[in-house]
Amino acid sequence: DAGVIQSPRHEVTEMGQEVTLRCKPISGHDYLFWYRQTMMRGLELLIYFNNNVPIDDSGMPEDRFSAKMPNASFSTLKIQPSEPRDSAVYFCASSLEGYYGYTFGSGTRLTVV
Amino acid sequence: AQKITQTQPGMFVQEKEAVTLDCTYDTSDPSYGLFWYKQPSSGEMIFLIYQGSYDQQNATEGRYSLNFQKARKSANLVISASQLGDSAMYFCAMREGTRQAGTALIFGKGTTLSVSS
Repeated sequence: DAGVIQSPRHEVTEMGQEVTLRCKPISGHDYLFWYRQTMMRGLELLIYFNNNVPIDDSGMPEDRFSAKMPNASFSTLKIQPSEPRDSAVYFCASSLEGYYGYTFGSGTRLTVV
Repeated sequence: AQKITQTQPGMFVQEKEAVTLDCTYDTSDPSYGLFWYKQPSSGEMIFLIYQGSYDQQNATEGRYSLNFQKARKSANLVISASQLGDSAMYFCAMREGTRQAGTALIFGKGTTLSVSS
């Protein structure tokens, strides 16, 4: 089991550019979560999916953020255009109905300059 | 109102001593789960221990135990025999509702634990 895989590990981009973060959940897991971690706000839920369908996107900060899950093994979080205040660590996590555990990826550290 | 409160920004302990990290929670749902995660300086989130609201006994996992006091809505993490490798940020989190994986975790702000030799 390779765990939850996120890419890239680090991303540095200029303000105004489009950024795409990627996540591969654990095979068979039917829930996928995107979190953002900052010093000021801690760990915040952005959006989560069940069986590839978005369930709750109330945490998505604004229209510049979008997330997709085209199939059970892949999800993206896109920021367009990016701003310096988007700088954070973005985590993806997956879980399985009937099991209490949530497995996190290693995170993507995004820096917008 | 915060759902998960961790009042200790930082804690210091010496090797081999026990340490308690505090966590209180707020929910009106009778069914919920409580989690502790460890985040070392490398940044990954490591699951430590879980307690369900209906569990009669406190959860234990090796050197970790969860002191669950339902009436007080507290779920403190106890680390026995601290090791240098325990130095990290520790997060308390809660999941509400009866579906075991179907809702997101809500996290506290975290407590930084420093273990010295």
